[in-house]
Amino acid sequence: DTAVSQTPKYLVTQMGNDKSIKCEQNLGHDTMYWYKQDSKKFLKIMFSYNNKELIINETVPNRFSPKSPDKAHLNLHINSLELGDSAVYFCASSLRDRGGSDGYTFGSGTRLTVV
Amino acid sequence: QKEVEQDPGPLSVPEGAIVSLNCTYSNSAFQYFMWYRQYSRKGPELLMYTYSSGNKEDGRFTAQVDKSSKYISLFIRDSQPSDSATYLCAMKAGNTGKLIFGQGTTLQVKP
Repeated sequence: DTAVSQTPKYLVTQMGNDKSIKCEQNLGHDTMYWYKQDSKKFLKIMFSYNNKELIINETVPNRFSPKSPDKAHLNLHINSLELGDSAVYFCASSLRDRGGSDGYTFGSGTRLTVV
Repeated sequence: QKEVEQDPGPLSVPEGAIVSLNCTYSNSAFQYFMWYRQYSRKGPELLMYTYSSGNKEDGRFTAQVDKSSKYISLFIRDSQPSDSATYLCAMKAGNTGKLIFGQGTTLQVKP
């Protein structure tokens, strides 16, 4: 019973393609996130949704578009993939979006390789 | 300059050693401080959390926060090979859910 599950785990695709990553959480959390981890293990936030509403939108190319059909799901669609998009993308969730002591629960990541 | 600085290591210690991992930060608004552990090919998992300054202990792990110096630490006593992982510090201000991570320190505990 994985708390935050992402699919696919691995994704190898050619430059210029469009791809989607899906995320689902069964923790009853209100807030979900997308983080990107580069080759140096640096984790950087991309987006955050609270109960289907976009609340954090970092400086990310327009080619990246998140979608949250309901508070348990957050997907990430990437258009026109570039070599620099190669990274591990993590989905996470937390109980609340403001303050509080709750940490994030992370999925196991989607390793994207653009060739 | 990054908001949170963490030495990436790698750090290699013998089994049983005391490990000290550290982060510095620049944003005085940070109030919540966390340590995550990430095993290879896995997602980060929350290890310790501290609110504001002070110490917190959980088994072999102790987290310390010194807000006056903008410096946080994680100590691991009696380190075990199973502690080999990347340790990421993370912090956030109280008025936003945005969690900012350090780069992570890779730790190897040798038997």
